[in-house]
Amino acid sequence: KAGVTQTPRYLIKTRGQQVTLSCSPISGHRSVSWYQQTPGQGLQFLFEYFSETQRNKGNFPGRFSGRQFSNSRSEMNVSTLELGDSALYLCASSRDGGNEQFFGPGTRLTVL
Amino acid sequence: QQPVQSPQAVILREGEDAVINCSSSKALYSVHWYRQKHGEAPVFLMILLKGGEQKGHEKISASFNEKKQQSSLYLTASQLSYSGTYFCGTEPPSGGSYIPTFGRGTSLIVHP
Repeated sequence: KAGVTQTPRYLIKTRGQQVTLSCSPISGHRSVSWYQQTPGQGLQFLFEYFSETQRNKGNFPGRFSGRQFSNSRSEMNVSTLELGDSALYLCASSRDGGNEQFFGPGTRLTVL
Repeated sequence: QQPVQSPQAVILREGEDAVINCSSSKALYSVHWYRQKHGEAPVFLMILLKGGEQKGHEKISASFNEKKQQSSLYLTASQLSYSGTYFCGTEPPSGGSYIPTFGRGTSLIVHP
């Protein structure tokens, strides 16, 4: 069974730009959650999508948004990038959210 | 508010035991435990739901005391492969919403 895949793995952007990250969950998983991981703040929950609907949202500004498609693949968008957005962005899938989650390898975003 | 993990770091020799604690100032619905090796994505270890049930994964087990709002992870007869950073993720009772908050992690190093 293929694991969670994320693309791209590495990304370098400059302040003010926007970025879109992609996540393909494990086949059969309908829940996709996104996390931001930084040395300073640790692992923080961004949002969760289930059946194309945002079901839960963490405490991040509106510049962070996402969506989920009918095949459960999910994208995360960050607009007007700031230096502080540099982080490892992880997505995780599960059958129904909240229980066993499988993480992808992450996208390392660097904002210059 | 982030749960507090203790200790921040543990250094062991193979075969020794360790306990990692996770405490929250808020009531909890569940506690999740993850292990992350350097440069890799977190790997789900187990979830403990309200009710105090102890779970196990190989020689790693955990308990959840909902009255004390804390969970402990027990690593028995540690192996080199146990090295990594252990995170707890806590979920408050919020009517079915899954909005986890993570501890800052406990670094575990197992020496031969």
